[in-house]
Amino acid sequence: DTGVSQDPRHKITKRGQNVTFRCDPISEHNRLYWYRQTLGQGPEFLTYFQNEAQLEKSRLLSDRFSAERPKGSFSTLEIQRTEQGDSAMYLCASSDGGSPLHFGNGTRLTVT
Amino acid sequence: AQSVTQLDSQVPVFEEAPVELRCNYSSSVSVYLFWYVQYPNQGLQLLLKYLSGSTLVESINGFEAEFNKSQTSFHLRKPSVHISDTAEYFCAVKGNQGGKLIFGQGTELSVKP
Repeated sequence: DTGVSQDPRHKITKRGQNVTFRCDPISEHNRLYWYRQTLGQGPEFLTYFQNEAQLEKSRLLSDRFSAERPKGSFSTLEIQRTEQGDSAMYLCASSDGGSPLHFGNGTRLTVT
Repeated sequence: AQSVTQLDSQVPVFEEAPVELRCNYSSSVSVYLFWYVQYPNQGLQLLLKYLSGSTLVESINGFEAEFNKSQTSFHLRKPSVHISDTAEYFCAVKGNQGGKLIFGQGTELSVKP
């Protein structure tokens, strides 16, 4: 399977802890996107990369959130000092710019 | 700025009945529109897309959507639904920067026997 892969699928953490998620895009895709989805809502854009450059960040992405794509391949999303409001599904997607976004199965974060 | 409104949060229907899921968009740039489907605990899967050309687009599993520029709509329809169509459906418009998608709030389609 050469789709978008996200790890872990589920993460439970205590408030105040740091968490990191990983996304492996489709190998030939140069664009990578992070979205957040809460229950009953559509995905909300967080940030996107073209190769290793982070080109846009949503205002939703507070200072506690940081994303990297160091070699233009996989990406990580880190949340520092987690809060209960961070509980959500974090979705990663990739594209080659001309294709629609291909999504991974997401990482579900629960902050207790 | 682009935005998407899905007018129905939940649509319950009986199996083999027709269904329409409504979507209206707002965009000041060229319009590219998408429908994605999400099954429980999974990511989003592309159902169909409108980029240009024919205003009626179809998916391989019987869904179709029609781009209506004057109504700024992109409603999704299926003439006869199956139990397996039960899922969350999201309409999206392509943003004006970087290819990101702007999603609606979703419509939960529940098909009952």
